Amino acid sequence: TQLLEQSPQFLSIQEGENLTVYCNSSSVFSSLQWYRQEPGEGPVLLVTVVTGGEVKKLKRLTFQFGDARKDSSLHITAAQPGDTGLYLCAAGNNAGNMLTFGGGTRLMVKP
Amino acid sequence: NAGVTQTPKFQVLKTGQSMTLQCAQDMNHEYMSWYRQDPGMGLRLIHYSVGAGITDQGEVPNGYNVSRSTTEDFPLRLLSAAPSQTSVYFCASSRQGGGSWEQYFGPGTRLTVT
Repeated sequence: TQLLEQSPQFLSIQEGENLTVYCNSSSVFSSLQWYRQEPGEGPVLLVTVVTGGEVKKLKRLTFQFGDARKDSSLHITAAQPGDTGLYLCAAGNNAGNMLTFGGGTRLMVKP
Repeated sequence: NAGVTQTPKFQVLKTGQSMTLQCAQDMNHEYMSWYRQDPGMGLRLIHYSVGAGITDQGEVPNGYNVSRSTTEDFPLRLLSAAPSQTSVYFCASSRQGGGSWEQYFGPGTRLTVT
């Protein structure tokens, strides 16, 4: 079983601050996904990264896939209260039939 | 499109009772899956299906059964509920499995076993 470790587990910041959360593993992945989950709802896909070293931007969110495709980071610039939620990374197994999730980073952005 | 729907939204069971969590999708997705979410543990895969008539075990399958008689429906059955099964259950669907395809999640079922 692939293990995805996310850090930090919890993060509480003020509106306007920048932050980075991490997703690390000892395994190599063909692709990696980031989801955001709000209270009482299911996760929603933010991005899929597939190439080592790839950087993708989604407004104030920047996603990076490590060169060796073992890790990924999510950077949020000028965080807003609407960014509050649980951020989950996920990766598929080699057989392409299962998705493993990390434990998540719970972000709270205070106004 | 309704996407992925789950019923019920909340359920309380006594130890030993059985029940079925319903999941349906209207996107004609081949791949469907069930996850449970416990505090600090992300989502763990219970069972998945790559198409009608085909199911397989995920990471934590014990105590749960599934079937896939149609493309649209993927019910999860708890055979004899235990307090350890207290969790939030999510059903998801996608065009294919693995890590490249977007998973569409339902709103979840919050289950408490007393």
